[in-house]
Amino acid sequence: NAGVTQTPKFQVLKTGQSMTLQCAQDMNHEYMSWYRQDPGMGLRLIHYSVGAGITDQGEVPNGYNVSRSTTEDFPLRLLSAAPSQTSVYFCASRPPGGLETQYFGPGTRLLVL
Amino acid sequence: RKEVEQDPGPFNVPEGATVAFNCTYSNSASQSFFWYRQDCRKEPKLLMSVYSSGNEDGRFTAQLNRASQYISLLIRDSKLSDSATYLCVVRGPGYALNFGKGTSLLVTP
Repeated sequence: NAGVTQTPKFQVLKTGQSMTLQCAQDMNHEYMSWYRQDPGMGLRLIHYSVGAGITDQGEVPNGYNVSRSTTEDFPLRLLSAAPSQTSVYFCASRPPGGLETQYFGPGTRLLVL
Repeated sequence: RKEVEQDPGPFNVPEGATVAFNCTYSNSASQSFFWYRQDCRKEPKLLMSVYSSGNEDGRFTAQLNRASQYISLLIRDSKLSDSATYLCVVRGPGYALNFGKGTSLLVTP
């Protein structure tokens, strides 16, 4: 199993550009999430999905869209990038059980100029 | 008030020392508790789940006090490789996992 994969690893954008961060998992996990991590802020939940076709907002959803057309993929779209979206983005997946661990992808480092 | 609070440290300890991290959570309905480890510029990885009766995994011991809404992690005989940030993670009654900001540990020779 590859686990959770994310592409790209690094990205530089100009303000106003749009892009999609890709996330895929091969563990057949129902739950998938996107987090951003900023210095001094910890991990903050952007959007999450409890299964194909179902998504919901997390703590900091503004400026981001998600969709979940398959169990495996959960892309995150930045509609119009802003410098405040400079961050490290982690995708994660887990089975629905409460004691199950959450697996993270290696992260995407995004710089918005 | 943040859902999960941790002392950010840093904790600087010599090899072989015992070090303890604490964490408090605000939602009394929280159901699952974990400690994650995050190395610099890497993704968080599960260190251990925390059970009501307390649990041990080698040099690591985790404790949960539901009455005080308090979780702890004890590391015995610290190794250089234990240097990392330790994240306290709490799952409430819903889906979301709430992450503390992390406690930084540096183990020195």
